[in-house]
This record gives sequence, structure tokens and C-alpha cells, in this order.
Amino acid sequence: AQSVTQPDIHITVSEGASLELRCNYSYGATPYLFWYVQSPGQGLQLLLKYFSGDTLVQGIKGFEAEFKRSQSSFNLRKPSVHWSDAAEYFCAVGPYNTDKLIFGTGTRLQVFP
Amino acid sequence: SQTIHQWPATLVQPVGSPLSLECTVEGTSNPNLYWYRQAAGRGLQLLFYSVGIGQISSEVPQNLSASRPQDRQFILSSKKLLLSDSGFYLCAWADGQGPPPGTQYFGPGTRLTVL
Repeated sequence: AQSVTQPDIHITVSEGASLELRCNYSYGATPYLFWYVQSPGQGLQLLLKYFSGDTLVQGIKGFEAEFKRSQSSFNLRKPSVHWSDAAEYFCAVGPYNTDKLIFGTGTRLQVFP
Repeated sequence: SQTIHQWPATLVQPVGSPLSLECTVEGTSNPNLYWYRQAAGRGLQLLFYSVGIGQISSEVPQNLSASRPQDRQFILSSKKLLLSDSGFYLCAWADGQGPPPGTQYFGPGTRLTVL
């Protein structure tokens, strides 16, 4: 069955430090891949998406993600974290044969000054 | 540009009371529409999705129902709320020309507390 794993439930970083959030998926082919961010009490905002082509994808707010087919991963990165990046981050997979997305359980990011 | 609205923003209801949450989308036509629930500290659970008026797919058996009376309107309902229905309810829309799935865009959510 298709699934998405975000192995880190909670990550704490210092402001200005680099960040990498992990996402692994299980699917027989290359799916559509997404990263969303959710601030407390808010809806989800799309950070970036990968459909095909260049495996390094640039998103909003200085985020990027890299698709690695051999590792079935789509990790999210940011070179320098800002306090406003504190939020919950969700990875999602969209299999080709469906109109639905499969979401990971999320990673909560805490940023210390 | 497209916008998605949800109301109410917050709701406190007694156990056994009915529920109606509304979601509307502007600036697009024939979207796919989705209802998700997010329990405290947990991920997103897809409840229902719709690819057109009157077409509803249920993902999880429960005491909730959904309807799509108009192209850009999606309603989540219950006849009798349970304590376990408490949570954050999110509506989303996507370009309805899949599969494969389009990018989903989320509304601001409704916080439901059942007492």
C-alpha cells in the first residue's frame, strides 16, 4: 500500500541554523510529491511540489526539496531557519491513479532564538 | 485568483447536537473538493472527497456525511455529534482534471469542540 513516513515527530533548531526534514514514501512509481506548512490554528499552505524534471525543487520562504528516486525520499531543506518558520510540516504523496493525496503524520519544528 | 472559505471558524457543540460546516471556493470551476479532520496532535485524515455535484466518496465510516449541492460548495454534516468528532476540520480544493491528483489548496479550517 502507498504510504508516507516522516520519521521525525519533533525537531528543535536554533535560529540561523540549517534545517532538513525527512520524508520517505512507498509507491511503485514516481508519484507527485508535496510539502505543506501549517501554523497553529491555520490551514495548510503549499511550500513546494515535484511532478517531474529537475529533482531539486525551489519553494516559497526559502525552502527547497530534493527528490531522490533511489532512496524514495523527498527531504525538505532550508539553509538558515528563521523564528517564523516554527510550524508543523507535512509531506504528501499523490499517486498517479487517484485524485487523493496521502499525507505524512507531520514534523513539528521549534526554533530557538 | 482562487480563494477558499470555511465557516464557522470555531464551533462549540453539545454531544448529540447536529452539525453543519460549509466550504465554498471562488475563482475556479468544477474543482475536486475534500474534507479532512485533524485531531489534536495528529495528522490529516481524509473524510470525504467529491469530483462533481452530488458525487461524494466516503473514506472513513463514521457518523458524518458530506454533500455538494453546488459546484463550488461542500458541506459536512452530522445528525448527532459524538465527543470523538472534536477536531480541526479542513476543506481543500484541487483542479478537477485528474487523476493524477492536482495540487490541493486548503481553507483556514473550523475548530470544532464537542462537549
